[in-house]
Amino acid sequence: DVKVTQSSRYLVKRTGEKVFLECVQDMDHENMFWYRQDPGLGLRLIYFSYDVKMKEKGDIPEGYSVSREKKERFSLILESASTNQTSMYLCASSTLRQGAQPQHFGDGTRLSIL
Amino acid sequence: AQTVTQSQPEMSVQEAETVTLSCTYDTSESDYYLFWYKQPPSRQMILVIRQEAYKQQNATENRFSVNFQKAAKSFSLKISDSQLGDAAMYFCAYWGTGNQFYFGTGTSLTVIP
Repeated sequence: DVKVTQSSRYLVKRTGEKVFLECVQDMDHENMFWYRQDPGLGLRLIYFSYDVKMKEKGDIPEGYSVSREKKERFSLILESASTNQTSMYLCASSTLRQGAQPQHFGDGTRLSIL
Repeated sequence: AQTVTQSQPEMSVQEAETVTLSCTYDTSESDYYLFWYKQPPSRQMILVIRQEAYKQQNATENRFSVNFQKAAKSFSLKISDSQLGDAAMYFCAYWGTGNQFYFGTGTSLTVIP
């Protein structure tokens, strides 16, 4: 079974802090994704990556950056956390085969910015 | 960007009964994929069922089946013989040539014993 592991289930940070959310997958997947989940808004894509050192902006990249130095690890960075970034963050991975491949999700990180 | 609409924020069903969750989408593409994902409370999101747009036959997966109406751009999920473990948030998702998923806002399903 694919395992996508997010480093924290719950995280509390202060406004202005630099915040790192880590995600690791163990199935050698090429694709990795970061989503934000808010009630009534569903999942919104922040950034995704098809390969090491590659990144593509999703629908809501403002205030975020990402890093993919190794294939199995995809980090989301909040450069200067703000209260409107309080949310559930989901990491996902998928293999790069022809056609749409299902995404495998982590358990999520519930981030609170005070 | 594609849009995916789930017009039912909340649904409930009696245990052992059947429930249908609605999803519509907007696209000009002819080749795409549709998915239903399930997110139980405080648990991981998992794939329920997947449908390729070029296939006319509706996908089924045990008690889960879809009604895919391509012309109407509708993709509903039917859950038969509902069980307590079916209680979750359900998300409809679209994948097209943009190589990313577009998710609906979700439907929260309650199963009543």
